Amino acid sequence: DAGVIQSPRHEVTEMGQEVTLRCKPISGHNSLFWYRQTMMRGLELLIYFNNNVPIDDSGMPEDRFSAKMPNASFSTLKIQPSEPRDSAVYFCASSRSGQLMNTEAFFGQGTRLTVV
Amino acid sequence: DAKTTQPPSMDCAEGRAANLPCNHSTISGNEYVYWYRQIHSQGPQYIIHGLKNNETNEMASLIITEDRKSSTLILPHATLRDTAVYYCIVRAVRSNDYKLSFGAGTTVTVRA
Repeated sequence: DAGVIQSPRHEVTEMGQEVTLRCKPISGHNSLFWYRQTMMRGLELLIYFNNNVPIDDSGMPEDRFSAKMPNASFSTLKIQPSEPRDSAVYFCASSRSGQLMNTEAFFGQGTRLTVV
Repeated sequence: DAKTTQPPSMDCAEGRAANLPCNHSTISGNEYVYWYRQIHSQGPQYIIHGLKNNETNEMASLIITEDRKSSTLILPHATLRDTAVYYCIVRAVRSNDYKLSFGAGTTVTVRA
């Protein structure tokens, strides 16, 4: 099992450009989480999906951020247009969830985004 | 809405047991206590979880008080590689609330 796979590992982009972060969850997991981590704000939950459906996007900072999960094995987090304050490490995590049990979440290695 | 309270930092000596406290006085009946840690520059890593009984695995032990209002994570023989931020989280398990939210955690520094 390769674990949660995120790409790219590092991204440097200019302000105003579109940025797309990608995540492949662990096979068989049906919950997927996107987090952002900065020194100032710590680890923030942006959005999470269950069975490919967005359940809670209240953590998404503003309309410039959007996330999709077109199928069980792939999710994207898009920032358009990007701003310097979006610079952070973005983590994706997955777990197996259902009516009777939520298992522990497994995290990817993160994408370090720098907007200049 | 902070559901847990942890000390911001603590030091421990290599080879000694590290006892990490967590208060969760408003925990509800369907919420488990989860512990994760984050080593510098890596994604958070699951350690252990429990409902009301003490739990032990290859990484740590979890002691939950009888009233469930607090718990202690024990690293039995801390090594330098255990230096990390440790997060205590309460999370509903048998429900449709799948949210997993992190607080500030405790920065643990293991010293030689």
